[in-house]
Amino acid sequence: AQKITQTQPGMFVQEKEAVTLDCTYDTSDPSYGLFWYKQPSSGEMIFLIYQGSYDQQNATEGRYSLNFQKARKSANLVISASQLGDSAMYFCAMTTGANSKLTFGKGITLSVRP
Amino acid sequence: EAGVAQSPRYKIIEKRQSVAFWCNPISGHATLYWYQQILGQGPKLLIQFQNNGVVDDSQLPKDRFSAERLKGVDSTLKIQPAKLEDSAVYLCASSFLGTSLTGELFFGEGSRLTVL
Repeated sequence: AQKITQTQPGMFVQEKEAVTLDCTYDTSDPSYGLFWYKQPSSGEMIFLIYQGSYDQQNATEGRYSLNFQKARKSANLVISASQLGDSAMYFCAMTTGANSKLTFGKGITLSVRP
Repeated sequence: EAGVAQSPRYKIIEKRQSVAFWCNPISGHATLYWYQQILGQGPKLLIQFQNNGVVDDSQLPKDRFSAERLKGVDSTLKIQPAKLEDSAVYLCASSFLGTSLTGELFFGEGSRLTVL
């Protein structure tokens, strides 16, 4: 079975600074996908970034990048140049094998200070 | 393109009553998911449909929860009778590629249930 661990307490960052949100995972399947989702107070889950287990390079999407360290089983999200609108819950999630079912971590609250 | 639609957004009921949630996925998306998100936790998958067939319902409490996806489009999730611990946000999601690692899930805004 797969497992996602997010243990950071609430995170705070100053506007325009970078922040790293931690995520570790566990699975015995060599084929898996790692995702980050953002959940603002409105409740909708917004897809941010995806990293495949066989991808050689770290994924990037605009201000978001995923620091993928396969040997450590970590998939940290880096947000550069934080904006006030980045304040939200952030969830790390994974799929394994051929199934698209997502398993989520418990999430991290990020607050951006002006 | 219209997103995933869910209703109602909010529902308050007393324990032992019943409730139903509706979801209309993005047009053309074959795979539909219902997730339960209890406050302070990550979403937990309740059931996954591929067209109108069930792919995974291993975490659905079948003694009180039921879900259907008639005609492979919209879906209904029902709880009967509700318990206090069912208070949560029920998220519906859909994806075009249900069997691919890169199949991105699109979520609705959720239905928030409070059981008193």
